[in-house]
Amino acid sequence: DIQMTQSPSSLSASVGDRVTITCRASQSISSYLNWYQQKPGKAPKLLIYAASSLQSGVPSRFSGSGSGTDFTLTISSLQPEDFATYYCQQSYSTPGTFGQGTRLEIK
Amino acid sequence: QVQLVQSGAEVKKPGASVKVSCKASGYTFTSYDINWVRQATGQGLEWMGWMNPNSGNTGYAQKFQGRVTMTRNTSISTAYMELSSLRSEDTAVYYCARALRITIFGVVTGDAFDIWGQGTMVTVSS
Repeated sequence: DIQMTQSPSSLSASVGDRVTITCRASQSISSYLNWYQQKPGKAPKLLIYAASSLQSGVPSRFSGSGSGTDFTLTISSLQPEDFATYYCQQSYSTPGTFGQGTRLEIK
Repeated sequence: QVQLVQSGAEVKKPGASVKVSCKASGYTFTSYDINWVRQATGQGLEWMGWMNPNSGNTGYAQKFQGRVTMTRNTSISTAYMELSSLRSEDTAVYYCARALRITIFGVVTGDAFDIWGQGTMVTVSS
């Protein structure tokens, strides 16, 4: 199975900050990488697919980049509603493994 | 609107089975795979498997092989996930999710889960 490792596991930031979350795959997955946001008690929400494509309806302050084994999710200017947990997921091969999550908290 | 609506919470004893349903509406049910993902309390997301509602073909994570069965009833646009031989470690929220096939410049670039059910809490306790 492909292992997905996110860093950091948790992060404290302030409204207006620029934030970057990293996801590393244990082998090359080309651009088969998705990002999700999850708020407490809610289902995950798709933010980014194919490493850098913004899902319809997602604010443009979210962006993704990378290919191969190293990927990043960037939030350009944090808004109050962005405090949540973020997961990467590879869709290169089954099982479609997720990273362990990055919890983004208010500083 | 496009949505997946799951069945309600379940409490089961160790060794029993549970069957969770996922009803699709607002789109053609047979046009998109359904995946199942679970999440134990305070933990991350764990992919369990997929089902093609058109063909009925399935694929399961090795961890759940032999214990999980994914089926569908196309006449009512509903997918099912049944997990047997339940143990306490199976206590979790179970989600169904629609898989959007990503194609960029004509090249398939994987799937992404664009629509999720609200989740079904399954508690396994004696």
